[in-house]
Amino acid sequence: AQSVTQLGSHVSVSEGALGLLRCNYSSSVPPYLFWYVQYPNQGLQLLLKYTTGATLVKGINGFEAEFKKSETSFHLTKPSAHMSDAAEYFCAVSPYGNNRLAFGKGNQVVVIP
Amino acid sequence: GAGVSQSPRYKVAKRGQDVALRCDPISGHVSLFWYQQALGQGPEFLTYFQNEAQLDKSGLPSDRFFAERPEGSVSTLKIQRTQQEDSAVYLCASSSARDRVAGELFFGEGSRLTVL
Repeated sequence: AQSVTQLGSHVSVSEGALGLLRCNYSSSVPPYLFWYVQYPNQGLQLLLKYTTGATLVKGINGFEAEFKKSETSFHLTKPSAHMSDAAEYFCAVSPYGNNRLAFGKGNQVVVIP
Repeated sequence: GAGVSQSPRYKVAKRGQDVALRCDPISGHVSLFWYQQALGQGPEFLTYFQNEAQLDKSGLPSDRFFAERPEGSVSTLKIQRTQQEDSAVYLCASSSARDRVAGELFFGEGSRLTVL
């Protein structure tokens, strides 16, 4: 079975500072990895995904994530946080690209002016 | 609209009542998923349809939960004899990709169920 760990339910970041959200996964088969974002009163939206190939993936709005198999990690970064990045972020894993995603508990991000 | 539409957005039920939650996926999307999101948790998989076929219902928590997609488009999640532990947001997602391809899931805003 696959699972995802996201530590720290609430994360604060200063506007303009580097943003980092950690995601560690467990999977018995090669994983596909995803980050989704949920803005208030909206549905979950895909930020970026790793399937195969290049381990550094770029998503929308300047977000990036790097797949590190040796560390079983898929951390999300953004070089400069913006007020509009305040939202809840979920990391998810699926085995072999099977769409039955297993989500982490999420990180509620607050951006401090 | 062009997105996934769910109704009702909010539902309050008395314990023991039956509820039905509706999902209108994006037109032409083959795959449809239901997830349950309890307060403070991430979404958890309930069930998956490919067209009208329910290919996976392994996440349904009990036989009180039932989902259907009779014409391969609109789907309904039904919960019979609701219990307080059923209180959660129920998310519907659709995808143009068939199973075993990591297509993007498009999520609706969810139906928030509160059981008193």
